[in-house]
Amino acid sequence: KAGVTQTPRYLIKTRGQQVTLSCSPISGHRSVSWYQQTPGQGLQFLFEYFSETQRNKGNFPGRFSGRQFSNSRSEMNVSTLELGDSALYLCASSLSLQTYNEQFFGPGTRLTVL
Amino acid sequence: AQSVTQPDIHITVSEGASLELRCNYSYGATPYLFWYVQSPGQGLQLLLKYFSGDTLVQGIKGFEAEFKRSQSSFNLRKPSVHWSDAAEYFCAVVPGSSNTGKLIFGQGTTLQVKP
Repeated sequence: KAGVTQTPRYLIKTRGQQVTLSCSPISGHRSVSWYQQTPGQGLQFLFEYFSETQRNKGNFPGRFSGRQFSNSRSEMNVSTLELGDSALYLCASSLSLQTYNEQFFGPGTRLTVL
Repeated sequence: AQSVTQPDIHITVSEGASLELRCNYSYGATPYLFWYVQSPGQGLQLLLKYFSGDTLVQGIKGFEAEFKRSQSSFNLRKPSVHWSDAAEYFCAVVPGSSNTGKLIFGQGTTLQVKP
């Protein structure tokens, strides 16, 4: 069974641009979550989606948005990039929203903002 | 607010020695508790989790963790460390709700293994 895939793996952008990151969950998984990982702030929750609906949102500005498609694939978008958005963005998928379902993480997308 | 504290940012142990990584959480009720490992350039892998029941839980790769309610702790242990265990370890909680996968992570502990 293929794991969680994230594309692209690496991305370089300049301030003010926007970026879209993609996550394909494990087949059959319907819940997708996104996390931002930085050396200073650690791992922080961005969003959680289930059945194309955002169920939870972390404490991030409105420049960060996401969506989930009917095939459970998810995208996140960051507009008007700032230097501080440089981070590893991790996606995780699970069967459902239930906490007891294990979340499987992808390898992440490394975003660098210049 | 719920929080997770990993007091040790960096730990170095010799191969074959025992290991204990500390984790404390701040939450009124018993949360759901997890330990994840992240190798360089990789995503996170679940080592073990605690929801209820036996307070000593066994995980993959020979790891175990003990939940101590009185100390609000969930420390990770391994009796004999292997060089391949060098990685970053994260303690995480889902604060008491069963209808979300939202994880609150500690800052992580980097484990270095000396030959």
